[in-house]
Amino acid sequence: QLLLQESGPGLVEPSETLSLTCTVSGGSISGSPYYWAWIRQSPGKGLEWIGSIYSSGITYSNPSLKSRITISEDTSKNQFSLTLGSVTASDTAVYFCARHLRVTASFDDWGQGTLVTVSS
Amino acid sequence: QAVLTQPPSVSGAPGQRVTISCTGTSSNIGAGYDVYWYQQLPGTAPKVLIFGNSDRPSGVPDRFFGSKSGTSASLAITGLQVEDEADYYCQSFDGSLSGSLVFGGGTKLSVL
Repeated sequence: QLLLQESGPGLVEPSETLSLTCTVSGGSISGSPYYWAWIRQSPGKGLEWIGSIYSSGITYSNPSLKSRITISEDTSKNQFSLTLGSVTASDTAVYFCARHLRVTASFDDWGQGTLVTVSS
Repeated sequence: QAVLTQPPSVSGAPGQRVTISCTGTSSNIGAGYDVYWYQQLPGTAPKVLIFGNSDRPSGVPDRFFGSKSGTSASLAITGLQVEDEADYYCQSFDGSLSGSLVFGGGTKLSVL
């Protein structure tokens, strides 16, 4: 059974960088046909795709966030990561990691999500 | 502002049928990209209800129906049950600019 688990600081100061890691168990991110994604949900709001990484390291990003994000993978640890720079209060959200089979497809497996609050 | 438009809320009594709409444009749903539907219970991650416009993953009751026409899609739920009370989201792909996975703003279903 595939499990995804987000980890990282729950509090980030404004203008700083948010860094999160997703640890995958029950399946390998290396050489798999899947895309590994980050999605966020602001309090009481809807879902927003942040970006995805393919097993070869190719990344796809939401154009509205592209200038501030980096998605990378560490195959030795079976993890992939998100960094989001120059954060503001509007970046406060629950951040989910997820898996999808094609770049246009649904997110079939999700982590439980982690709340990140941007505040001083 | 979500790219796909959904009604903020719908409601129905147990046993009734409700429909949730998802309206897009010619660069996403109207361009032929598949529509997916998710159910999100409070405090949990979304779960896929419908994939490929109208297919149900195993384990999803056949009370849930997805359809797509033109630039819109719909999720119908028949025989409403109390446990269907949740938030529902549609998702597709938008081929404009660099391409982006897009969601609807979500619909809160209340079972009265």
